[in-house]
Amino acid sequence: DAMVIQNPRYQVTQFGKPVTLSCSQTLNHNVMYWYQQKSSQAPKLLFHYYDKDFNNEADTPDNFQSRRPNTSFCFLDIRSPGLGDAAMYLCATSRSRASNSPLHFGNGTRLTVT
Amino acid sequence: GQQLNQSPQSMFIQEGEDVSMNCTSSSIFNTWLWYKQDPGEGPVLLIALYKAGELTSNGRLTAQFGITRKDSFLNISASIPSDVGIYFCAGPEGSQGNLIFGKGTKLSVKP
Repeated sequence: DAMVIQNPRYQVTQFGKPVTLSCSQTLNHNVMYWYQQKSSQAPKLLFHYYDKDFNNEADTPDNFQSRRPNTSFCFLDIRSPGLGDAAMYLCATSRSRASNSPLHFGNGTRLTVT
Repeated sequence: GQQLNQSPQSMFIQEGEDVSMNCTSSSIFNTWLWYKQDPGEGPVLLIALYKAGELTSNGRLTAQFGITRKDSFLNISASIPSDVGIYFCAGPEGSQGNLIFGKGTKLSVKP
C-alpha cells in the first residue's frame, strides 16, 4: 500500500491561477518535504517541515508556499503559476532529519501550466 | 553548496550485461543513498550506505560507500528490461541534512 500519497497525479492550471497540490502520509514521519523536478533534471528541494517548523530553501521563490495542518498532511500552494513552474512536484517524508533516516517519496504530481 | 557528480549520464546496454555507475563529491558525505525513478513515478530507495567502506547488496544491486567518503558506486548484475529508469545518487547536505541529488544516470536495456 502506498505510504506517501500525492493528489492529484496530474494537474493542469492556467497561467496565474492559484493551484494547490496535496500530500498525505501513513508513516507518521516527523519530516515532510516538497521537491520540484523539471524534465531530465534531479529533484530540487523547495522546503520542508520538521513537525510544525517550516524551513524554506534560500532560493525557493515566494510564489511557492506550504501548509502542514497536521502530521499526516502537507500542501504545496503556488500562488501565481508561471510557465516555468511546469514540473513534477514530489512530496517525501522521513522519520527524522538525521542522515540515517532516508526519504520516502510519493509518486508525484505533474503540473502543466497553460 | 555541496554537489554530486554522477556518471555516466546515460547508458545503453544489452539485457544480461552488468552495469556500473558512480557518484563523486568534492566534500565528505556521511550517508550515500541510491534511488531509482521510473517514468512518471517518484524515486524509490534502492540502497542506503552509512559507513565508509560499506558494501551492501539488494538482489542484483550492489553499492559501496567509498573509503574517502567522497564517492560511491552502484553495480547492477545481469540486467533485465525492468531495470530501465533513472538512477540517482543522493546524500544529506548541511546542518539540516537536506537531501541533494546527483543529475542521474539514465539506463536503457535492450532485450
